[in-house]
Amino acid sequence: DAGVIQSPRHEVTEMGQEVTLRCKPISGHNSLFWYRQTMMRGLELLIYFNNNVPIDDSGMPEDRFSAKMPNASFSTLKIQPSEPRDSAVYFCASSWGRGGGNQPQHFGDGTRLSIL
Amino acid sequence: EDKVVQSPLSLVVHEGDTVTLNCSYEVTNFRSLLWYKQEKKAPTFLFMLTSSGIEKKSGRLSSILDKKELFSILNITATQTGDSAVYLCAVEHGSSNTGKLIFGQGTTLQVKP
Repeated sequence: DAGVIQSPRHEVTEMGQEVTLRCKPISGHNSLFWYRQTMMRGLELLIYFNNNVPIDDSGMPEDRFSAKMPNASFSTLKIQPSEPRDSAVYFCASSWGRGGGNQPQHFGDGTRLSIL
Repeated sequence: EDKVVQSPLSLVVHEGDTVTLNCSYEVTNFRSLLWYKQEKKAPTFLFMLTSSGIEKKSGRLSSILDKKELFSILNITATQTGDSAVYLCAVEHGSSNTGKLIFGQGTTLQVKP
């Protein structure tokens, strides 16, 4: 079975540009998570969706960040305008979530983002 | 404030040694504790623990949860160089159908030949 698929694998762009990261969750999973990983702060949850609906975006650092999930098989994380401090590895994860017995989250290989 | 703390932060051992990694937590509405292994790319799932005192085992790896004392350990016996990685502990919490994960800082394990 295909795992979580993220694109691009690497992105290098200049400050001020718009960046769009993409994620295809595992087929059948109904929960999708976006994380950011840095050396200083480790893995941090940015936002998560359940059944395509954003449930908690309290981890989104500021208004420059936005995320969408138009259907069960696709999600985007957008940064506009990008800044050097946004440089990090961004992971997408998915799971099957149900009350009282969630399944573990499975991660994609991440997008390494560098903002110059 | 919800938090997950792992120790040690780094560890260097030789092949064949046994290691114990620690994870303590303080969260509201605890649901489960998970262990992941991260090499160069994605964290890969190892164990999910929900009940105290029940050991989960997979080959040379095993883990147990103590919900009274709020900690978990991950044991690796007869370590191999392929065990070198960052081991992440995460706690799922929340009252909705989908729990949020809080990750610890990770323990970097290096196994020398």
